[in-house]
Amino acid sequence: AQSVTQLDSQVPVFEEAPVELRCNYSSSVSVYLFWYVQYPNQGLQLLLKYLSGSTLVKGINGFEAEFNKSQTSFHLRKPSVHISDTAEYFCAVIDPDSSYKLIFGSGTRLLVRP
Amino acid sequence: GAVVSQHPSRVICKSGTSVKIECRSLDFQATTMFWYRQFPKKSLMLMATSNEGSKATYEQGVEKDKFLINHASLTLSTLTVTSAHPEDSSFYICSANILAGGHPYNEQFFGPGTRLTVL
Repeated sequence: AQSVTQLDSQVPVFEEAPVELRCNYSSSVSVYLFWYVQYPNQGLQLLLKYLSGSTLVKGINGFEAEFNKSQTSFHLRKPSVHISDTAEYFCAVIDPDSSYKLIFGSGTRLLVRP
Repeated sequence: GAVVSQHPSRVICKSGTSVKIECRSLDFQATTMFWYRQFPKKSLMLMATSNEGSKATYEQGVEKDKFLINHASLTLSTLTVTSAHPEDSSFYICSANILAGGHPYNEQFFGPGTRLTVL
């Protein structure tokens, strides 16, 4: 079965600095990959997704992620963060061979400091 | 488009009572809705998959008699927590699949969540 690993439970960063949130998934022939953001006491909002094609995916709010098949990674990056980016970020995967259920990582809390 | 609502957003109840949470797709039809549970500072745990007009499929370890799911229409699914106890206190989030899409998967759109507190 698919699994997703987010090694960093919390990432503190200063405002306007770049940030990378790491995500690794268990190997599979084909996967669909997602990054979601969750603000306090709210549901999840899709930041970006990789289904096929270009390995560099651009999303909302200036975020982007790169699909790296050889390293089974899908790290999320932003060149300059804002205070408002403080939130919980979840990486998720769908294994098309396994009923299309979303499998979530444990989440990374991005804490942007002034 | 693709808005999912949940009601109520927050509910406090006494131990032993039942609580119903509604999940609605407001501007699209959803053949499948999902119910998740999220513990504080934890990830989302899929509880069950709900298909319109049929019985829900529960994940391993989720008590189907405890968490009753009804998906009566293409825009409404309900989760009823029966005989709630303090350990059922959690954040419950639903999501809905859009009916048609160009890829062999359907994107999930998430509701804002319901905070359940059982005293």
